[in-house]
Amino acid sequence: QKEVEQNSGPLSVPEGAIASLNCTYSDRGSQSFFWYRQYSGKSPELIMFIYSNGDKEDGRFTAQLNKASQYVSLLIRDSQPSDSATYLCAVNTDKLIFGTGTRLQVFP
Amino acid sequence: EAEVAQSPRYKITEKSQAVAFWCDPISGHATLYWYRQILGQGPELLVQFQDESVVDDSQLPKDRFSAERLKGVDSTLKIQPAELGDSAMYLCASSLDNYEQYFGPGTRLTVT
Repeated sequence: QKEVEQNSGPLSVPEGAIASLNCTYSDRGSQSFFWYRQYSGKSPELIMFIYSNGDKEDGRFTAQLNKASQYVSLLIRDSQPSDSATYLCAVNTDKLIFGTGTRLQVFP
Repeated sequence: EAEVAQSPRYKITEKSQAVAFWCDPISGHATLYWYRQILGQGPELLVQFQDESVVDDSQLPKDRFSAERLKGVDSTLKIQPAELGDSAMYLCASSLDNYEQYFGPGTRLTVT
């Protein structure tokens, strides 16, 4: 079983819609959770982090964490074509473990 | 805005040659990480430094890879000899408190 699992996609949404990206993890002791955005050929960029159960909002982004279900998600409201990228979920146990990423495509 | 610096951005080398990558973390960040990212996968940790000390190098192929951070600031990752399977993006990241990690632009290595 992979430690951090994401659907590879692509997830295609129309401009203006809500994109929902999901991630599950296996280590119940994980304490901190991160979402990175990675454009093709570029390095990962930290966009959200969450440490406590519940929702955390930052602009158009909302991270949701449910430790009981070992599930973390990222919602992107009012999706724009510039949001088209791969979104990496990362979970910190004693080191940061990344999923393989979900490719998001936002079409006009 | 403070950024992690890496060089070179691209490197093409022949197998069996030596290559080296350099990283300068965000000023004040005590923790420095080297990752390798193969196309289509997430980054995987190679080595973690806390100041000048290695905290985790369990995934570093020590027969050919070495890393150092002599003065606890910038760092060098070396591969000798390079193999075809080493072709990947090599990413450096830094962190103030071992939580949020910020990545540099990476070095794209191609081994021919």
